[in-house]
Amino acid sequence: DSGVTQTPKHLITATGQRVTLRCSPRSGDLSVYWYQQSLDQGLQFLIQYYNGEERAKGNILERFSAQQFPDLHSELNLSSLELGDSALYFCASSVAGGRSGNTIYFGEGSWLTVV
Amino acid sequence: AQSVTQLGSHVSVSEGALVLLRCNYSSSVPPYLFWYVQYPNQGLQLLLKYTTGATLVKGINGFEAEFKKSETSFHLTKPSAHMSDAAEYFCAVSNQAGTALIFGKGTTLSVSS
Repeated sequence: DSGVTQTPKHLITATGQRVTLRCSPRSGDLSVYWYQQSLDQGLQFLIQYYNGEERAKGNILERFSAQQFPDLHSELNLSSLELGDSALYFCASSVAGGRSGNTIYFGEGSWLTVV
Repeated sequence: AQSVTQLGSHVSVSEGALVLLRCNYSSSVPPYLFWYVQYPNQGLQLLLKYTTGATLVKGINGFEAEFKKSETSFHLTKPSAHMSDAAEYFCAVSNQAGTALIFGKGTTLSVSS
């Protein structure tokens, strides 16, 4: 158990809909990361927050957004869903936010299926 | 820009045989390198990491990796494979700002008895 908690574990929704994925980082971690894992794209970095502020953006679509709340939990919002958005979405956390070599711990992921 | 190439999408070994999973990286700054393992229907678990210092890094479950700057490699090895090692393995490099990990496409390790 990494200490990173993600909900829901599985989600099935229809095209055009909107979903929210939730993440609680490890106790004491200030940084939260979101990754998408799909068969064709592999593991892609989406976005990072550090202590409530956006720190870095990766390959995140405009239809997707995220935020980190004062209690440090984070949410990833996916809207106008398309079939291609079906993937495993990981949340990860770490103590620091910059170039420190600190370990990034991953949750077990949220499986999203768009039908 | 940072990138990682994992040679071989699938590696098969017999139980007790040497495991060698290859990873080459590209980095514009001294790299921080990681190996993660993903068991079926689970998240990613850190096996080991290299930041600075000793180039031979020992990790969990008997795995180790050696950072070779001249070869831009960070190959993962285990002297004797066990059935429980069957999983997908990912090599990753920290991006320049240290704000994300850039992953390779992964190598699936199969272990036969």
